Amino acid sequence: QKEVEQNSGPLSVPEGAIASLNCTYSDRGSQSFFWYRQYSGKSPELIMSIYSNGDKEDGRFTAQLNKASQYVSLLIRDSQPSDSATYLCAADNYGQNFVFGPGTRLSVLP
Amino acid sequence: EAGVAQSPRYKIIEKRQSVAFWCNPISGHATLYWYQQILGQGPKLLIQFQNNGVVDDSQLPKDRFSAERLKGVDSTLKIQPAKLEDSAVYLCASSLAGTGARGGYTFGSGTRLTVV
Repeated sequence: QKEVEQNSGPLSVPEGAIASLNCTYSDRGSQSFFWYRQYSGKSPELIMSIYSNGDKEDGRFTAQLNKASQYVSLLIRDSQPSDSATYLCAADNYGQNFVFGPGTRLSVLP
Repeated sequence: EAGVAQSPRYKIIEKRQSVAFWCNPISGHATLYWYQQILGQGPKLLIQFQNNGVVDDSQLPKDRFSAERLKGVDSTLKIQPAKLEDSAVYLCASSLAGTGARGGYTFGSGTRLTVV
């Protein structure tokens, strides 16, 4: 059974700091990786995708992928209280669908 | 573009009762997914349809759960009989054919089921 693991959290950072969220995956065959943000009581929303080793930046968000280490991370720069949410990491399953991790809850303190 | 529509938003039933959830995907999206999200956990795939055919139902508890997508558009997920451990949010998502695992997919607002 494919697995995606995330640091359990909760993670608390002060406003303006960098939040670092980590994820590992079990299947070396996975090619696509996604970060979803989920506010309490809401459905997940896609914020970043990454397919190649290295960094991918989108505004305050940077996704990092290291396929050799089977490791994905998400950095949030200049964290804002509005970033407080649960962040879900997902890896593709034979290119058909996603396996999600358990999520890491982030709290950004004003 | 309208999003993925789900109904009802909330449902409370007693154990051993039956319940059904409905999903209408984004227009033109051939692939439809049902996920179960238990509180504090990540979403778990129950079933994936491509048009009206099943692609993956390996984690669907087939003794009590069933799903259909008869005309390749909207879908219904049914639980009969419900157990306490079925209390969760049931999320529907859709994507263009063959692109879901590449480009990500959009979730509906979900149905929160409470079994008492």
